[in-house]
Amino acid sequence: EAQVTQNPRYLITVTGKKLTVTCSQNMNHEYMSWYRQDPGLGLRQIYYSMNVEVTDKGDVPEGYKVSRKEKRNFPLILESPSPNQTSLYFCASSFGTSGENEQFFGPGTRLTVL
Amino acid sequence: EDQVTQSPEALRLQEGESSSLNCSYTVSGLRGLFWYRQDPGKGPEFLFTLYSAGEEKEKERLKATLTKKESFLHITAPKPEDSATYLCAVTRGGADGLTFGKGTHLIIQP
Repeated sequence: EAQVTQNPRYLITVTGKKLTVTCSQNMNHEYMSWYRQDPGLGLRQIYYSMNVEVTDKGDVPEGYKVSRKEKRNFPLILESPSPNQTSLYFCASSFGTSGENEQFFGPGTRLTVL
Repeated sequence: EDQVTQSPEALRLQEGESSSLNCSYTVSGLRGLFWYRQDPGKGPEFLFTLYSAGEEKEKERLKATLTKKESFLHITAPKPEDSATYLCAVTRGGADGLTFGKGTHLIIQP
């Protein structure tokens, strides 16, 4: 089954404790992206990757890092999480190397930072 | 700066009562307008992509249309299972991702 998977689905952590949210897709997509979704603000792009080893900032990149060492995986790293990073996070992927194609979204990761 | 505004924020309809959701946008060089459906606790699910003014697409009870300033998602004779949040998003293409609106929360009552 073609899908985007994320782990963990739920995470409660404390301020300053480094964490990684994994994202993997099995559709051989070049483009991958991370979004956060907050009440009243909608979905906002954090980082994106047009291909392996190519990543760039989206609209709200502060406090986040990403890496793209292989095509299928695109982990989101929070080096020192803070309470304002409490949010619902989605990974997405699409064909091609641009953001203008249909994006397939993962099931989401709900993160709480205390 | 790209902007996407969806209205209404919430809409409650009776089963079978047709209506339209609006998505107005401001973007320089639109390369695509997307409609997604999102159920509670799940990721957005792709519905349609529209690329140019005048384009229309249909899927079951849903029909999406596009003008130079806005898009409409028409829902005909809705059923309770159509209840969800409907999201509109735009892109300028290239490396840009999607700029989303805040969504319309649709409830269809039996």
